[in-house]
Amino acid sequence: GAGVSQSPRYKVAKRGQDVALRCDPISGHVSLFWYQQALGQGPEFLTYFQNEAQLDKSGLPSDRFFAERPEGSVSTLKIQRTQQEDSAVYLCASSLVVGGEQFFGPGTRLTVL
Amino acid sequence: QKEVEQDPGPLSVPEGAIVSLNCTYSNSAFQYFMWYRQYSRKGPELLMYTYSSGNKEDGRFTAQVDKSSKYISLFIRDSQPSDSATYLCAMVSTIQGAQKLVFGQGTRLTINP
Repeated sequence: GAGVSQSPRYKVAKRGQDVALRCDPISGHVSLFWYQQALGQGPEFLTYFQNEAQLDKSGLPSDRFFAERPEGSVSTLKIQRTQQEDSAVYLCASSLVVGGEQFFGPGTRLTVL
Repeated sequence: QKEVEQDPGPLSVPEGAIVSLNCTYSNSAFQYFMWYRQYSRKGPELLMYTYSSGNKEDGRFTAQVDKSSKYISLFIRDSQPSDSATYLCAMVSTIQGAQKLVFGQGTRLTINP
């Protein structure tokens, strides 16, 4: 595909369930970012990868959140024991080079009941 | 207090009007300033990018930065219904060379035909 893709687009989870959100960046893009966007708010930084290395995870809200990018391409954001406050749109962005323009995917809308 | 403040609106104007969107920020370390447009259920897309005080024009859009006042603006001339979207200002914080984006809350804009 030409752009960043994310799956699933929508996810409904019961409180306490684990979820996994997938991001397929644009092929060859070195940098990958995850952001969380609550309803009516701007995106907030969660974590950053340069190839397979997670260089910053300072935005992850708690140790229930875990992200990986084992082969430097596809990334997965995992949330364990989901809580209602985790309900948000999770956006993935990638850039060709370090410091380059970030291209965003459409996001995964997570609703925790 | 958030690092970036943006009036959430909503803002509704007639077609053809000039629109002014604004953000203030508190972190003097921010060096790069961006405006993103986000349509409903889509990811943000980059509209304008600037790094110096002054004006930058691109078609109907003008970005203005005043670093001394920590204030940025986006002007839209001859607004069109297709401009209806949420507009997000973003500042760049550098981590290991990569650009971590710090967003404002977003202003929801509607252009009425």
